[in-house]
Amino acid sequence: KQEVTQIPAALSVPEGENLVLNCSFTDSAIYNLQWFRQDPGKGLTSLLLIQSSQREQTSGRLNASLDKSSGRSTLYIAASQPGDSATYLCAVSTNTGNQFYFGTGTSLTVIP
Amino acid sequence: GAVVSQHPSWVICKSGTSVKIECRSLDFQATTMFWYRQFPKQSLMLMATSNEGSKATYEQGVEKDKFLINHASLTLSTLTVTSAHPEDSSFYICSALRTSGVGTQYFGPGTRLLVL
Repeated sequence: KQEVTQIPAALSVPEGENLVLNCSFTDSAIYNLQWFRQDPGKGLTSLLLIQSSQREQTSGRLNASLDKSSGRSTLYIAASQPGDSATYLCAVSTNTGNQFYFGTGTSLTVIP
Repeated sequence: GAVVSQHPSWVICKSGTSVKIECRSLDFQATTMFWYRQFPKQSLMLMATSNEGSKATYEQGVEKDKFLINHASLTLSTLTVTSAHPEDSSFYICSALRTSGVGTQYFGPGTRLLVL
């Protein structure tokens, strides 16, 4: 069964810093990988989706990379802002997009 | 963009009652929907996969008689928590897999259940 791990579990940085969140998965036979943001008590907001054939995706200050062979993905956030404070989840899917397996999440706090 | 709604967003009930949660894809058809559960400060755990017109597939450890899933149409799946108990209190999130196109799940906003 696919296991997804995220490091660190919590991160606190001053505003303006660049930061990297890590995600690792045990089974490299994935269909795609997705990064989500979750605010306290809220649902999920999709940030970036990387298909298994892709190596990275970018959206604004966010850049996600995927190394399928090593079972790793990173989410890079440039010039962090207090509004970026949230929990970030990565999830991998198998079987043509079904069966999402979520990581444990990284709780990010950006200090003004 | 694709939108998935859940109703209700909040529900508080007494122990022993049953609670139904609806998941709707508003502007697309979804042959497959998924139900997740999230306990405080934990990640989402897949509970079951719901397929339109057929029985749901439950993950190991999830009681199918307690969590009844019905996917009667291409835009609606329901999760009924039967005889709810305080330990069922959780955040329930559904997602819908778009029938056209591949590999993209759209998530609902979640339903918070509190069983007293």
